[in-house]
Amino acid sequence: SAVISQKPSRDICQRGTSLTIQCQVDSQVTMMFWYRQQPGQSLTLIATANQGSEATYESGFVIDKFPISRPNLTFSTLTVSNMSPEDSSIYLCSVDLYEAFFGQGTRLTVV
Amino acid sequence: KNEVEQSPQNLTAQEGEFITINCSYSVGISALHWLQQHPGGGIVSLFMLSSGKKKHGRLIATINIQEKHSSLHITASHPRDSAVYICAVRTPLAYSGGGADGLTFGKGTHLIIQP
Repeated sequence: SAVISQKPSRDICQRGTSLTIQCQVDSQVTMMFWYRQQPGQSLTLIATANQGSEATYESGFVIDKFPISRPNLTFSTLTVSNMSPEDSSIYLCSVDLYEAFFGQGTRLTVV
Repeated sequence: KNEVEQSPQNLTAQEGEFITINCSYSVGISALHWLQQHPGGGIVSLFMLSSGKKKHGRLIATINIQEKHSSLHITASHPRDSAVYICAVRTPLAYSGGGADGLTFGKGTHLIIQP
């Protein structure tokens, strides 16, 4: 199993600013996943973060808007850049170790 | 890209009722997950299936690979079962057409169990 600590749990940000979300896993994992859940919607994959290589982004998401770091096998960050109200969502990190494990989520509101 | 459909979208039932939530997908998968999301947003994994049937307490999950269909059953439902239940699939890259190799999620089933 895996325990994922994600922070911040929530934030209210001004448009045009950036927010970095951190996820710490209690075990080493090859791949970490970042998802977005817009209000009333299901989760959508943003990107897969592999240690030692650039993240792989799903169609519709770009590195300039959602830069990801993966400095080691237990940690990753997602930055939401130049935010607009449309970025208001819950952002979650996840690992897949037979079962899927998720961080607690970051509820972002952009005003 | 795999299309994941869940039904029903919303379900309200009385305590003690037998609950069934369905999930279908459009292309071959390597695994299917059933997840539970509570109002605070936290997501918990209930099952990972690649074939057959699994049971954990009052929860039962089945999958039919040939029919591309899975069901989640809750026996003797209780108000604490009230949550959103989400079906998610992992699609091999050969079927997904590339991309970032994560899970594809259904829209979720909002379940309310009334006492």
